[in-house]
Amino acid sequence: EAQVTQNPRYLITVTGKKLTVTCSQNMNHEYMSWYRQDPGLGLRQIYYSMNVEVTDKGDVPEGYKVSRKEKRNFPLILESPSPNQTSLYFCASSLSYSLEQYFGPGTRLTVT
Amino acid sequence: AQKVTQAQTEISVVEKEDVTLDCVYETRDTTYYLFWYKQPPSGELVFLIRRNSFDEQNEISGRYSWNFQKSTSSFNFTITASQVVDSAVYFCALSDGSGNTGKLIFGQGTTLQVKP
Repeated sequence: EAQVTQNPRYLITVTGKKLTVTCSQNMNHEYMSWYRQDPGLGLRQIYYSMNVEVTDKGDVPEGYKVSRKEKRNFPLILESPSPNQTSLYFCASSLSYSLEQYFGPGTRLTVT
Repeated sequence: AQKVTQAQTEISVVEKEDVTLDCVYETRDTTYYLFWYKQPPSGELVFLIRRNSFDEQNEISGRYSWNFQKSTSSFNFTITASQVVDSAVYFCALSDGSGNTGKLIFGQGTTLQVKP
């Protein structure tokens, strides 16, 4: 089944404890991206990647890192999480940046 | 600046009614892409449709139809004979063609409640 998977789906952590949210797609998509969804602020792009080893900042990259060492994986790293990073995170992938993006199921992160 | 406005925050209808969700966008690009996504109560984002700025043909897919009008910068979504399973938050989104970032600019979403 063609899909984007994210792990974990739910995470509660404490301020400053490094964490990684994994994202993997099995559709051989070149383009991948991360969004966060917050009440009142909507969905905003954090980082994106046009292809392997090519990543760039979206609108809200502060406090996040990404890497794209393989085409299928695009992990989101929070080196020192803070409470303002409590959010619902979505990974997405697409054949190309101009085509439709397919989203993972979301990761609900709570930082206390 | 690019912007997507979904003026209807919440809509409530009774099953079998038709409902139209409005979407108005702003962009200076001549090449751009428009999308609709559905977010059911389970939380995932489901792709519904993509349109590029050069294709103003309306589209119908089952009970869903979309009306793209460049003259009014609108990309409205109509559900015919609504069903309870259509209850969800619906997002309209815009992606630019000049920036080549693939970034989706989302509207704030319209919550549709379909009552039995």
